[in-house]
Amino acid sequence: EPEVTQTPSHQVTQMGQEVILRCVPISNHLYFYWYRQILGQKVEFLVSFYNNEISEKSEIFDDQFSVERPDGSNFTLKIRSTKLEDSAMYFCASSGILGTHNEQFFGPGTRLTVL
Amino acid sequence: GQQVMQIPQYQHVQEGEDFTTYCNSSTTLSNIQWYKQRPGGHPVFLIQLVKSGEVKKQKRLTFQFGEAKKNSSLHITATQTTDVGTYFCAGPLVSSSNTGKLIFGQGTTLQVKP
Repeated sequence: EPEVTQTPSHQVTQMGQEVILRCVPISNHLYFYWYRQILGQKVEFLVSFYNNEISEKSEIFDDQFSVERPDGSNFTLKIRSTKLEDSAMYFCASSGILGTHNEQFFGPGTRLTVL
Repeated sequence: GQQVMQIPQYQHVQEGEDFTTYCNSSTTLSNIQWYKQRPGGHPVFLIQLVKSGEVKKQKRLTFQFGEAKKNSSLHITATQTTDVGTYFCAGPLVSSSNTGKLIFGQGTTLQVKP
């Protein structure tokens, strides 16, 4: 069964450093998302992406964040200068059906730890 | 801002007992989706409800969407240990129906004692 993959599974970084989280969405999907989940809390929307541009972003997704689909398979989230409060699990998700956003398939997540 | 609230936050039941989690949104939702997250895992889609007043069943799970499209519930009959996890409701606002932005509730964590 097709699945969303994410790398790395765990990233440890120093405050102020840049990190890039990588995702490979399901191959025929059209919509891509990033969410984050601080330990023990709810899942929070960061950004949605369609047709090579951001379709919506949350207040969390400030100028320190960017997303890119550099080729036909990868979807990346970059945090330019990490802060302690960026420590969280970051989930990539994708969905497939044009015009609707039914089931979103989540990847296994990248646990980001900022020291 | 937009909020989706879920109660209870935690529920401990004996295996075989029923379980219900309730979800309420401060604004009208385009649809409601339910996800299950096992400990240490990622959210996995369970179901989507679209129509006002809709009821759907999946084996022992019954999902309802309120008439005003602001509330929903998930009921599990005769819980099993495999039902353990956190159940999240999530919905796109009507204004986000084209972007897929999901607003998640805080989740209800279910523990089942064998």
